[in-house]
Amino acid sequence: KAGVTQTPRYLIKTRGQQVTLSCSPISGHRSVSWYQQTPGQGLQFLFEYFSETQRNKGNFPGRFSGRQFSNSRSEMNVSTLELGDSALYLCASSLWGRWGDPSYEQYFGPGTRLTVT
Amino acid sequence: AQSVTQLGSHVSVSEGALVLLRCNYSSSVPPYLFWYVQYPNQGLQLLLKYTSAATLVKGINGFEAEFKKSETSFHLTKPSAHMSDAAEYFCAVRMNYGGSQGNLIFGKGTKLSVKP
Repeated sequence: KAGVTQTPRYLIKTRGQQVTLSCSPISGHRSVSWYQQTPGQGLQFLFEYFSETQRNKGNFPGRFSGRQFSNSRSEMNVSTLELGDSALYLCASSLWGRWGDPSYEQYFGPGTRLTVT
Repeated sequence: AQSVTQLGSHVSVSEGALVLLRCNYSSSVPPYLFWYVQYPNQGLQLLLKYTSAATLVKGINGFEAEFKKSETSFHLTKPSAHMSDAAEYFCAVRMNYGGSQGNLIFGKGTKLSVKP
């Protein structure tokens, strides 16, 4: 079974631009979460989507947004890029959407490394 | 609020030596706990998880972790380090009741170096 795929793997953008990152979850997984990883802040939760609905959101500004499609694929968008947005963006998918379910394991993709210049 | 503290941002061991990576959590109720490993330029791979079934959890690659409620700890161990264990390890917590916080909260990570 194919794992979580993220495209593109590397991206270079200029301040003020916007960017869209894509994530394809493992087949059958309906929940997709996004995390930002930076050397200074570590791994931070951005948001989670389940059945096309955002069900949980981290503490990030409104410039960060996402969506999920009917086939569970997800995109995240960052508008008006800032230098501090340079990070590895990780997508994770899981099989069940019910919290408290012991099988609620998140499987991570390889990430998209975004560099803002 | 839940939080995770990993003691030691860098740990160095010799090949064949015991690996001990420390993780302490803060939570008012027993959480779900996870250990992930990240190799350079890769995503996170789940090593093991604690979901209240057993306090000693065995994972992949010979790793195991013990949940100690009294110490709010979930330290990761491996009896004998291998060169291929060199990576960054993350401890994470997730609440085990329904609500708005189903996401993982990660520690800052511990980079493990293995000397030949």
